[in-house]
Amino acid sequence: QRQLMESGGGVVQPGRSLRLSCAASGFPITRAGMHWVRQAPGKGLLWVAGMDYEGGSKKYYADFAKGRVTISRDASKNTVYLEMNSLRVEDTALYYCARDGNFFSFDEWGQGTMVTVSS
Amino acid sequence: QSALTQPASVSGSPGQSITISCTGTSSDIGTYNYVSWFQQYPGKAPKLMIFDVNVRPSGVSDRFSGSKSGNTASLTISGLQAEDEADYYCTSYSGADTLLFGGGTKLTVL
Repeated sequence: QRQLMESGGGVVQPGRSLRLSCAASGFPITRAGMHWVRQAPGKGLLWVAGMDYEGGSKKYYADFAKGRVTISRDASKNTVYLEMNSLRVEDTALYYCARDGNFFSFDEWGQGTMVTVSS
Repeated sequence: QSALTQPASVSGSPGQSITISCTGTSSDIGTYNYVSWFQQYPGKAPKLMIFDVNVRPSGVSDRFSGSKSGNTASLTISGLQAEDEADYYCTSYSGADTLLFGGGTKLTVL
């Protein structure tokens, strides 16, 4: 049974950094693209970043995330990460990890980890 | 990268059919057949309902169907049921390895 479990969220001050983790089980992340999607409180879904399965060398970022966000993975831990720098109040959101089952179609989601940016 | 446009809300009575539209541009929906639809209940993670415009994942009811015409994609739910009441989001690949989401549509079953 495929499962994704995010962790690493919390309350952080503006300008600080945070690293989110997404532990996968039931499938190897080396065989699937992996993405991060966020949802601000009461708002819609917003794609943040993704990476391909072929060695994880191809990484993709939404325009608003470029330069502040880095997606990476540790195949030995079957875990995907999202490093976020220079955090802003508007980055406050529930961050979901998702598995790409086809081509930018997310067939498996975690329950999310909440990031609150506040002074 | 502008979000795709969805109606904020739609409603229908049990047994009826409803359609949710998702309007993009010639740079996304109009060019690529990589449109997906997600269902999200309050406080829950999204669930994939349709991918590649009109393909249903295993386990998704055949009451859900997808289509596309020009720059607009559509999700149709037939035989509306109370359990269909949820938020629905569309996505489209928009080239250069980027993805757009729609703003979401709240479906109310009357």
